[in-house]
Amino acid sequence: EPEVTQTPSHQVTQMGQEVILRCVPISNHLYFYWYRQILGQKVEFLVSFYNNEISEKSEIFDDQFSVERPDGSNFTLKIRSTKLEDSAMYFCASSGSRSTGELFFGEGSRLTVL
Amino acid sequence: AQSVTQPDIHITVSEGASLELRCNYSYGATPYLFWYVQSPGQGLQLLLKYFSGDTLVQGIKGFEAEFKRSQSSFNLRKPSVHWSDAAEYFCAVGPQYNFNKFYFGSGTKLNVKP
Repeated sequence: EPEVTQTPSHQVTQMGQEVILRCVPISNHLYFYWYRQILGQKVEFLVSFYNNEISEKSEIFDDQFSVERPDGSNFTLKIRSTKLEDSAMYFCASSGSRSTGELFFGEGSRLTVL
Repeated sequence: AQSVTQPDIHITVSEGASLELRCNYSYGATPYLFWYVQSPGQGLQLLLKYFSGDTLVQGIKGFEAEFKRSQSSFNLRKPSVHWSDAAEYFCAVGPQYNFNKFYFGSGTKLNVKP
C-alpha cells in the first residue's frame, strides 16, 4: 500500500540552528500538507501546498518556516532558526484530491530543540 | 471559531468490552468529520469519515461513528475492543470540498486491559 514517508524520525538540534524535515508523499498525490503536534497538545495545521505554491498557511507558519518541493518526489519543511517552542512532532500528509476527504499521513518527525 | 473537543484524555477498557470515544465540534458550516488513529510509532491512519447521508458510518477495524447534528457530536464506537486497539484516537473536522485545513481534537489515549 502506498504510504507517506518522513525523515528523519527524530532530530535533536540546538536553538538557532536550521532544520529541514523531509517527506516523500504518495506518488500521484497533488496536495501536500504539514501539521505539527506539540507534546500533549492538538495536531495543528501549518501549511498546505499545491501546484508548487502555498495554498494556505496558519498563523504559526511565520517567516521562520518555508516549504519546498525541490523535485518531483520530495516535500520539505525548513525551519530557519529553531526556537525551543518549535519542539514538536511534525506530520507530513498528502492527498490526491481536495474533495475525497482523506489525508494520508506519515509517521512524523520528532524535533527536539535544546 | 472552529474547534474540536475530545473530553476524555485517557480511557481504559477491558478487552472484549464496548467502547465509545466522544467528539464534539464547533464549525461554522456543514463539516466533514473524521476519526484517525495513531498507534505507537505510526502515522495517523484514517478510521472513517462522514460526508453526508446515513449518519452512522462504518470504518475499518470494526469501528463505527454516529453523526448527531443536534448535538454537534461524532462519537466513535466499537462493540468489542481488542488489545490491538490500544492507541491514540483523534477526531477531526474539515470544510466541505476543501481539505486545506483540518482541525483536530487533542486526542484520546485508549488503554486496553487484558
